[in-house]
Amino acid sequence: KNEVEQSPQNLTAQEGEFITINCSYSVGISALHWLQQHPGGGIVSLFMLSSGKKKHGRLIATINIQEKHSSLHITASHPRDSAVYICAVRRVNRDDKIIFGKGTRLHILP
Amino acid sequence: ETGVTQSPTHLIKTRGQQVTLRCSSQSGHNTVSWYQQALGQGPQFIFQYYREEENGRGNFPPRFSGLQFPNYSSELNVNALELDDSALYLCASSTKTSAGELFFGEGSRLTVL
Repeated sequence: KNEVEQSPQNLTAQEGEFITINCSYSVGISALHWLQQHPGGGIVSLFMLSSGKKKHGRLIATINIQEKHSSLHITASHPRDSAVYICAVRRVNRDDKIIFGKGTRLHILP
Repeated sequence: ETGVTQSPTHLIKTRGQQVTLRCSSQSGHNTVSWYQQALGQGPQFIFQYYREEENGRGNFPPRFSGLQFPNYSSELNVNALELDDSALYLCASSTKTSAGELFFGEGSRLTVL
């Protein structure tokens, strides 16, 4: 079993829909990152969380440390939100290793 | 624009050759980590350097090696290239704290023929 699991793997939705992507992890962490990767490869950091909730524009990220679970929400989704969304955790350890989920491929239809 | 630059952006090598990929960190960041991302997969942690020393390594063989320089730029070297080494190689810089945000470069896409 992977240490970081994301769901769903693929998601297609209509423009305007509310989107939720989930991330569960099985290791102790010091931080959780939500990342966005567009075709071509470049990765952009959306959020870094260690507790609670953060909001940036139409994006909201929450984390429940006790349940080892995080969600990324997109309100009023738009075709430009189409991308791969990756959850990554920084493991509590001497090496601060980053462990990535496999990503959720989101496609928003106009 | 993250301030992290990688070079080259694309390159093609043949099996058995060696490759060096480069990463310039964002100013003020003393930690750099390298990742391999195969097509359709999430990134896999290769190793991390902090102040010129390796301080964490993933499940990659010794033919994957690295360097970090005093200006905190970094290199990833891969010897004896294999076909499965074909991937996007990403570097990310951060401050050495558990709360350090990651700043990624655009990646170097390596094709091994």
